[in-house]
Amino acid sequence: NAGVTQTPKFQVLKTGQSMTLQCAQDMNHNSMYWYRQDPGMGLRLIYYSASEGTTDKGEVPNGYNVSRLNKREFSLRLESAAPSQTSVYFCASSPYFTGTTNYGYTFGSGTRLTVV
Amino acid sequence: SQQGEEDPQALSIQEGENATMNCSYKTSINNLQWYRQNSGRGLVHLILIRSNEREKHSGRLRVTLDTSKKSSSLLITASRAADTASYFCATDDNTNAGKSTFGDGTTLTVKP
Repeated sequence: NAGVTQTPKFQVLKTGQSMTLQCAQDMNHNSMYWYRQDPGMGLRLIYYSASEGTTDKGEVPNGYNVSRLNKREFSLRLESAAPSQTSVYFCASSPYFTGTTNYGYTFGSGTRLTVV
Repeated sequence: SQQGEEDPQALSIQEGENATMNCSYKTSINNLQWYRQNSGRGLVHLILIRSNEREKHSGRLRVTLDTSKKSSSLLITASRAADTASYFCATDDNTNAGKSTFGDGTTLTVKP
């Protein structure tokens, strides 16, 4: 009954370091998403994957890369972390596929990232 | 830029009272959804309303949608302390790409 699992839950990076945030879902969902949430704000879409093997940019993709490793896993990579990337990162999944209705996401519990 | 804007930003009520939150958006939508976020947690999907629907109910939740005004409201009736959370509206546009755009949220505090 895991749903969407994100690792790690907390991370502190120094400016210029790189890291990969992991996300896995066990609901056989087609679509997966990475959002960031800054204090007091809503979520902004970084990247998404509408199906295994495809990825597309969202609203704020600069400084990030993603990999849809298989249907279950969707990772987010920060190549050279900057203080502006300090945020809470949420992974989400959805059974949505092209031509259907998006009935809503299942979210992971988030990764709190601080870049110093 | 954010598609949805919630109003008010913060709302504080007594247990048992009703809470109403509003969401305005800018472009045509396919559907609108409401989510709840408890402090430090991920978002939980509450309810979806399609663009051709005007009202929807789920338990103590009532959602309305006015596409002519590009606005939606979420009503929580007989609120409980456990309803204390942030509430976000999210819109899917007409591109059918399955991407939701979130507003900045309303923080609801229900005092016991």
